[in-house]
Amino acid sequence: GAGVSQSPSNKVTEKGKDVELRCDPISGHTALYWYRQRLGQGLEFLIYFQGNSAPDKSGLPSDRFSAERTGESVSTLTIQRTQQEDSAVYLCASSLAGLGNTIYFGEGSWLTVV
Amino acid sequence: KQEVTQIPAALSVPEGENLVLNCSFTDSAIYNLQWFRQDPGKGLTSLLLIQSSQREQTSGRLNASLDKSSGRSTLYIAASQPGDSATYLCAVRDDYKLSFGAGTTVTVRA
Repeated sequence: GAGVSQSPSNKVTEKGKDVELRCDPISGHTALYWYRQRLGQGLEFLIYFQGNSAPDKSGLPSDRFSAERTGESVSTLTIQRTQQEDSAVYLCASSLAGLGNTIYFGEGSWLTVV
Repeated sequence: KQEVTQIPAALSVPEGENLVLNCSFTDSAIYNLQWFRQDPGKGLTSLLLIQSSQREQTSGRLNASLDKSSGRSTLYIAASQPGDSATYLCAVRDDYKLSFGAGTTVTVRA
């Protein structure tokens, strides 16, 4: 596709339920990132994938959060037993390999836990 | 740990005025710096990428400067328009991750 695609765009879930958020990066982009942005706050790094290397999961806030990536394509961020503090927009980004390349973001998945 | 600060937090100007947005960072060992725009309820749109070896980068009415040694970048927007109203985020890359500032929210009054 032309840009980073995320789904769902909006999700309302009950506390305690599991949610899955999907990211489809720009074709050919081997680097993929997930960030979280709580209302009125800055962006927090969650996880980074680069090709077939082991992902950097250092930003995941708890073991309720996990992410997978299928090869160099789609990624899924899973939040188990959601809590109200998980309410945020979850942003996915991708780039070509190499540290000098532009990082492109999707429109985000807006999660509300009620 | 890299700390990124953006000043001011909010800015309101009349249409036609030039905008000056500031970004500072604590660790000058960066690969590059990227400016983004975020509209309410939307994702981030990349505006400019400036490499650590560059002093400035231009795109249309936008110009970004970088002084790596002093840990500063400035985004200039010439002849502002109401459509420029948004939050502008600065992000530095010192490894594969980006570290973000909290943003400057700009309102351009018609």
